[in-house]
Amino acid sequence: DAMVIQNPRYQVTQFGKPVTLSCSQTLNHNVMYWYQQKSSQAPKLLFHYYDKDFNNEADTPDNFQSRRPNTSFCFLDIRSPGLGDAAMYLCATSRASGYTDTQYFGPGTRLTVL
Amino acid sequence: ELKVEQNPLFLSMQEGKNYTIYCNYSTTSDRLYWYRQDPGKSLESLFVLLSNGAVKQEGRLMASLDTKARLSTLHITAAVHDLSATYFCAHPRRPGAGSYQLTFGKGTKLSVIP
Repeated sequence: DAMVIQNPRYQVTQFGKPVTLSCSQTLNHNVMYWYQQKSSQAPKLLFHYYDKDFNNEADTPDNFQSRRPNTSFCFLDIRSPGLGDAAMYLCATSRASGYTDTQYFGPGTRLTVL
Repeated sequence: ELKVEQNPLFLSMQEGKNYTIYCNYSTTSDRLYWYRQDPGKSLESLFVLLSNGAVKQEGRLMASLDTKARLSTLHITAAVHDLSATYFCAHPRRPGAGSYQLTFGKGTKLSVIP
């Protein structure tokens, strides 16, 4: 059974056209993360939510926003995608009880910008 | 600034051989994570190492952690083709009562040749 679900799996957008990626989880975890992974690179954390508290990484561009309407869902909004934003976007979750547990990753959304 | 360095970045090995991947990190931590990523896929958790001297084994993979040396190793025994993947180590930042943020190494791309 899927625990972290991402939709769509593949997204094609045009340069400058806003796009929203979706993540949902059935684990009831307090924390949800968004990572960007470019080809042949390591995942890079963009931001995360601890419950409703939003935590932005210092070097995350303003072009990237996120919403978490409830425990189960989290969205990544890219307001004006550029060619450099083409990447795999990974959603992950973890429990809030500490970091003795791993982060659980979804299957990812591969974003293409034309 | 936290640095997580893996080596080698590329590893081509014959089936049946043994090898070790190294992960050095610059900031003290008593936790270290290992993930596997198949081409075009998401990250799969392999090991969570929770203390100095921790050793965990799963099949042909064994991971260890030396917090004093700030070093973790992933040892591959008698490699088989199915182990071909990219392996990432990850270091938790700002550990606290709630969320934690992972900084990933650049990954080691392993190719096991028949």
